[in-house]
Amino acid sequence: GENVEQHPSTLSVQEGDSAVIKCTYSDSASNYFPWYKQELGKRPQLIIDIRSNVGEKKDQRIAVTLNKTAKHLSLHITETQPEDSAVYFCAARDTTSGTYKYIFGTGTRLKVLA
Amino acid sequence: EPEVTQTPSHQVTQMGQEVILRCVPISNHLYFYWYRQILGQKVEFLVSFYNNEISEKSEIFDDQFSVERPDGSNFTLKIRSTKLEDSAMYFCATTGQEGTGELFFGEGSRLTVL
Repeated sequence: GENVEQHPSTLSVQEGDSAVIKCTYSDSASNYFPWYKQELGKRPQLIIDIRSNVGEKKDQRIAVTLNKTAKHLSLHITETQPEDSAVYFCAARDTTSGTYKYIFGTGTRLKVLA
Repeated sequence: EPEVTQTPSHQVTQMGQEVILRCVPISNHLYFYWYRQILGQKVEFLVSFYNNEISEKSEIFDDQFSVERPDGSNFTLKIRSTKLEDSAMYFCATTGQEGTGELFFGEGSRLTVL
């Protein structure tokens, strides 16, 4: 089955700097990749997603890139702010198998230092 | 904006007791999921449910777990005989009619087994 690895597990950056979080997935049939932000004690919330027919997607300060050949994703957050501090999860979904199962990465705890 | 709602928000139970966690999916969504998150860990897939039957389950979802949609609106997760290691946050999640795209999470039900 699908396996999603994520690193680093923790990341501290100064306010205003950029943060980069990386993910790799194992199932080449996966074709939809959402990224979720989870604040302490809250539910995961979608921040950006990308489909396999697209190499890059940007939404304001957040961008995601996908390398299908390498089965590799990156999340970039620019001009980080203290409110960006949270745990970030990448996920992969195989939409062709019929099970529509989402598998989450191990998470990255981002701390933005003021 | 429509939301997935879950009850209870927190349940404390004794080991060996049965627990039922309830979810009301977004009204036009057809694909339902239960995920589990042990404190500080990743979001783990338990089970997916479509067309009134389980479409896939993980190895975590053993005979102690069951799901059903008893009345066409609620979607429930039952744990027959709780164990200490069942203590976790349980998230219900749903996706739209196409079965693709954003996974909408409920607020979660925190289960504490003593």
